[in-house]
Amino acid sequence: GAGVSQSPRYKVAKRGQDVALRCDPISGHVSLFWYQQALGQGPEFLTYFQNEAQLDKSGLPSDRFFAERPEGSVSTLKIQRTQQEDSAVYLCASRQHRGPSYEQYFGPGTRLTVT
Amino acid sequence: AQKVTQAQTEISVVEKEDVTLDCVYETRDTTYYLFWYKQPPSGELVFLIRRNSFDEQNEISGRYSWNFQKSTSSFNFTITASQVVDSAVYFCALSEANSGNTPLVFGKGTRLSVIA
Repeated sequence: GAGVSQSPRYKVAKRGQDVALRCDPISGHVSLFWYQQALGQGPEFLTYFQNEAQLDKSGLPSDRFFAERPEGSVSTLKIQRTQQEDSAVYLCASRQHRGPSYEQYFGPGTRLTVT
Repeated sequence: AQKVTQAQTEISVVEKEDVTLDCVYETRDTTYYLFWYKQPPSGELVFLIRRNSFDEQNEISGRYSWNFQKSTSSFNFTITASQVVDSAVYFCALSEANSGNTPLVFGKGTRLSVIA
């Protein structure tokens, strides 16, 4: 079946612009995660949804970052007034169930470059 | 707090050599899960294996094997008879059972280069 898809794959934004990154999880997956991966680093947690509820946003680095999943499927990560330190790969992952024993399936990521 | 350490930043081996990727973790929970993911140049993280903290039995899958030792908080990954297609960044990750949202905590990764 189809895996997790993300769009766009690449995004170049000028500093100060707003961007929106989209994630289409695997159909029927309850849990959805966003991670940020800086160059040469492992992914770091940003936020978590269980269906349409955002249960944890403790990893969002500032109030310029906002995520939503209004119908419990597609999710959007929005970054307002982008800054150079926002340059990274943004990964979306979905998981079939709530429990931590289940693996997360990752999308290909969106590489954001802020100039 | 949770932490995953992958001390090897980069490893280079010649094809057909065996290679072991180290992973050491820290957690206060008694119930937790360990994962390995592969990230090829395409960028997508590919799930390789999951182990829970109650199962220390080692696992083998083809050329891949994993050694989980709670006594040393390690979950090492060995590739036998490496191939060029194994070249990628490999991440070890930890998820605690009692941390609510249970995100994955990743190590910084080990970049493996297999040379023909």
